[in-house]
Amino acid sequence: DAKTTQPPSMDCAEGRAANLPCNHSTISGNEYVYWYRQIHSQGPQYIIHGLKNNETNEMASLIITEDRKSSTLILPHATLRDTAVYYCIVRGNTGNQFYFGTGTSLTVIP
Amino acid sequence: DVKVTQSSRYLVKRTGEKVFLECVQDMDHENMFWYRQDPGLGLRLIYFSYDVKMKEKGDIPEGYSVSREKKERFSLILESASTNQTSMYLCASSLGTSGLLAKNIQYFGAGTRLSVL
Repeated sequence: DAKTTQPPSMDCAEGRAANLPCNHSTISGNEYVYWYRQIHSQGPQYIIHGLKNNETNEMASLIITEDRKSSTLILPHATLRDTAVYYCIVRGNTGNQFYFGTGTSLTVIP
Repeated sequence: DVKVTQSSRYLVKRTGEKVFLECVQDMDHENMFWYRQDPGLGLRLIYFSYDVKMKEKGDIPEGYSVSREKKERFSLILESASTNQTSMYLCASSLGTSGLLAKNIQYFGAGTRLSVL
């Protein structure tokens, strides 16, 4: 599975969009991008995934660059409850585990 | 919604004790996983199971065993707990690992924070 690089921490004002970047320059053609988040002392929560098209669901939007070497998770209107560690994971459609790195610690500021 | 339930949120055990961590999922998922999470090390896979009575070792199986007698339940067993097994333990399940991408999404329980004294 391709390795990902994320900034260790970010701040975002409440009500503003939070844009969390992820680099995955070694991604291969059959690997998907997944995003999870982990609120303190809880298990990771699935947010969204994509292959090459932009994706949107009720939680977030995922923007993947045309060359697929990077992506951005967008929380359109961040709330205090969005304060969490966000993990970007790249993996193929086979395999058994998700490799969580250290992620980005997002703090939403009132 | 998928629900993965871990039997305990917090557990304190003594060195040498046999410890059972239980996990139940209610979505008829084929695959179940046990991870441990430690600061600076991320999540590491201990064992997983892709069917009843089937198990596969993950990256760090030493000191652990698992049991899956029913599809919905996956147990992690610490045969003789040691202080270096103090950690957050996370159970996850997924519908399957082949075919449709959506089957690969893993859903996690809330975690069990185990302290071994």
